[in-house]
Amino acid sequence: DGGITQSPKYLFRKEGQNVTLSCEQNLNHDAMYWYRQDPGQGLRLIYYSQIVNDFQKGDIAEGYSVSREKKESFPLTVTSAQKNPTAFYLCASSSTGVPTMNTEAFFGQGTRLTVV
Amino acid sequence: EDKVVQSPLSLVVHEGDTVTLNCSYEVTNFRSLLWYKQEKKAPTFLFMLTSSGIEKKSGRLSSILDKKELFSILNITATQTGDSAIYLCARGRGSSNTGKLIFGQGTTLQVKP
Repeated sequence: DGGITQSPKYLFRKEGQNVTLSCEQNLNHDAMYWYRQDPGQGLRLIYYSQIVNDFQKGDIAEGYSVSREKKESFPLTVTSAQKNPTAFYLCASSSTGVPTMNTEAFFGQGTRLTVV
Repeated sequence: EDKVVQSPLSLVVHEGDTVTLNCSYEVTNFRSLLWYKQEKKAPTFLFMLTSSGIEKKSGRLSSILDKKELFSILNITATQTGDSAIYLCARGRGSSNTGKLIFGQGTTLQVKP
């Protein structure tokens, strides 16, 4: 089945450690995104990539890094520089399509990261 | 400020009630406004609205966009316990049709039997 797979579902990290969250999609979408969800704040965009080997910062990129070496994969690294990393992380993808098309974003099941 | 604001933040109703969820925004230069339902993990897509005044329906759910007054509503009629979820409103950025979305805080709906 086509979809977006995030792993792991739950992740625990000690303070000061970097950790990488995986996101893979087989929808043949060009664009992929990482969002962070905190209670009462909705989803906030961390990084996005519209094409392989290219990515841009979103609204809250500090303390995070990404790579886009393959179309299917968009891993997110939460570095020790991220002050409040405990959150629910959602990966999404969408087809960029032609400018007149409307394409919604499809989300993965999320990874809940807890810093202990 | 460029925000999407949803209200109410939480709502408790009984099965069979009708609910209206609100979403307001502050800019006009975007292409689409979207509604998602989030039950446990992944938000699932409900509606994409691009034109003002045209209602979109899916079963007991419907939504409409008012570009003049800068808001959208999501209606759920004859609510069921399975409608319990967080409902997220989001708008796109500029004329782009990608998933670079600005989300509201969400409305948590609880439907009691």
